[in-house]
Amino acid sequence: AQKITQTQPGMFVQEKEAVTLDCTYDTSDPSYGLFWYKQPSSGEMIFLIYQGSYDQQNATEGRYSLNFQKARKSANLVISASQLGDSAMYFCAMREGLSNAGKSTFGDGTTLTVKP
Amino acid sequence: DTEVTQTPKHLVMGMTNKKSLKCEQHMGHRAMYWYKQKAKKPPELMFVYSYEKLSINESVPSRFSPECPNSSLLNLHLHALQPEDSALYLCASSQVVSFTDTQYFGPGTRLTVL
Repeated sequence: AQKITQTQPGMFVQEKEAVTLDCTYDTSDPSYGLFWYKQPSSGEMIFLIYQGSYDQQNATEGRYSLNFQKARKSANLVISASQLGDSAMYFCAMREGLSNAGKSTFGDGTTLTVKP
Repeated sequence: DTEVTQTPKHLVMGMTNKKSLKCEQHMGHRAMYWYKQKAKKPPELMFVYSYEKLSINESVPSRFSPECPNSSLLNLHLHALQPEDSALYLCASSQVVSFTDTQYFGPGTRLTVL
């Protein structure tokens, strides 16, 4: 079974509107971290936001927020006030526990296109 | 400063060539990683170094040889590659190997094997 599932291969959003990118995960380890990265066409993976399994509050970083629903095993990324520069591929990733923490598992990604 | 640098940006090599990719970070991180990424796919982990020692090798063919000369530097030596090895090679670093630690990525090297 896939450990990270991103069900939206492509998404469109109008400039200045909010968009939610979905991510569900599967782990039996109580200790894990969830990460979102943005990858523009230039190739660099840019870290956006982190949520730890023991964090009580949803993470926020500027226009990015993470809607963390632990019981549902989902960690959706919300981008508010979309900008043209937000057009990119977005990856959700997980690092688990103590023995597996070296191995990040990535989802297949969602390509976001922001329309003017 | 969360900067990881990689050189070269682009590399074209023949199947008989020997070349090296270089990655550098000055954030004091003690974990460094190599990933391979094909177009429109997620990155695939190749190697993990922790405190300059190889801790994970994801069954990568021996034509890829990693080296960590010091805590700031990570190399990937390439020899007798195949055309299917053409990809974006990403280096990353983190404080240590921990599920709470963010990996910071470099801009990548686009490798083409002819």
